[in-house]
Formats: sequence, structure tokens, C-alpha cells
Amino acid sequence: DAGITQSPRHKVTETGTPVTLRCHQTENHRYMYWYRQDPGHGLRLIHYSYGVKDTDKGEVSDGYSVSRSKTEDFLLTLESATSSQTSVYFCAISPPSGGYTFGSGTRLTVV
Amino acid sequence: GQQLNQSPQSMFIQEGEDVSMNCTSSSIFNTWLWYKQDPGEGPVLLIALYKAGELTSNGRLTAQFGITRKDSFLNISASIPSDVGIYFCAGRGGTASKLTFGTGTRLQVTL
Repeated sequence: DAGITQSPRHKVTETGTPVTLRCHQTENHRYMYWYRQDPGHGLRLIHYSYGVKDTDKGEVSDGYSVSRSKTEDFLLTLESATSSQTSVYFCAISPPSGGYTFGSGTRLTVV
Repeated sequence: GQQLNQSPQSMFIQEGEDVSMNCTSSSIFNTWLWYKQDPGEGPVLLIALYKAGELTSNGRLTAQFGITRKDSFLNISASIPSDVGIYFCAGRGGTASKLTFGTGTRLQVTL
């Protein structure tokens, strides 16, 4: 009954390569979010979406882009991966005023 | 942006002890949420609070929405080993749906 799945779960990539992470939901929620989690920083918002083709930046959006062409999918792209983007990435979904449901995360290592 | 200060950052306790943690904000929030994150997983919602002064329980967990609307507290009674994890507070202010997260309290329980 996951309702939200992230892929891949783990990825190792080289500096300078593009990387796309996928978040898929089956809950038909309007809002979707991408966070990164790093030691000492908690969860930091990268980008979020409030509908198909409607997205906005979060507090750490530099170096990231997103796309949402349909309700169920929210893609996060690192145009040219850097070592500082090594992190655990979480996707979350929510109804307009409810709590978030998080995915299981993607552990990305940039070497 | 809004800041949430969560304390303590970490704590070691013995099984059976009660645990208290809190979260304070520089801004007023309309909703407070508490999440728990197990290793290798995304955060999971424990308790949601929607009204100043509200006290809500979920099993051994009790959370309160502070009267000033700038703080919230989480108590865990009679801790058990599976309580180990990172606990996050989150608050929602005026912007629909977007949450601000605290930096987390890492709880470790010894037998």
C-alpha cells in the first residue's frame, strides 16, 4: 500500500553527469515535494509542485530542476552532478492541508 | 526563511524511561506535526496537531500544540528499543501545504 515509490533506491554516478530521480504516486495528491537529507541539516526542500506543470523552488534549488507532466510523476534532475549533491533524496506527497507521506528515499553518491 | 529549533539534538535513554523533546519557532504556525524516521526509510507521521493548546495521544506518544503557537512538545512514555530513530517536528504557517521541518532529535534506547 506504498502510495508513493521512488526510483532508483540507490545510485552512484560520476561528477558532471546528468541524473534523474523519479517519484511516483498512486494517491492522486496535488502536492509533491523533493527534499534532500544531510547530517546536521535535517530535511531541506529542493523543489515542489502544486499541480501538473506547476512547480516552484525550495530553499536549496540551485543545480536541480524538476518536471511534472502528469499528476502521478514528479521528476528531479541534477543537470550536472557534483559531489556536494551526494545525499539522500526524499519525495513526499500531500493533500492541500494534510501531513506529508514520504517515499523510502534515494541514496545518491556522486564520485 | 522560517526556522525550527528542535531539542535535544540527540539523547540516550534506558528502556522504560520517559522521553521529552520540543520544537520552537520564530514564527507562528497553524499546524504542528511530529514524524519518526527509521534507518533507511522515509519519515512517518506520528501525530498531527491543528489547534493551539491541543493535546493529542497516539499510544505511548503524546504531543502538544503550544499556546503561543510557536512551539510543540512530544513525549514518549515507557520507551522501548523500537522507539530508536530520528524524530522530526514540522510546522505549517500561512502558505498552503508547505511544511518547515526541524533538524531532528536522534533517540537511542539502551536495554
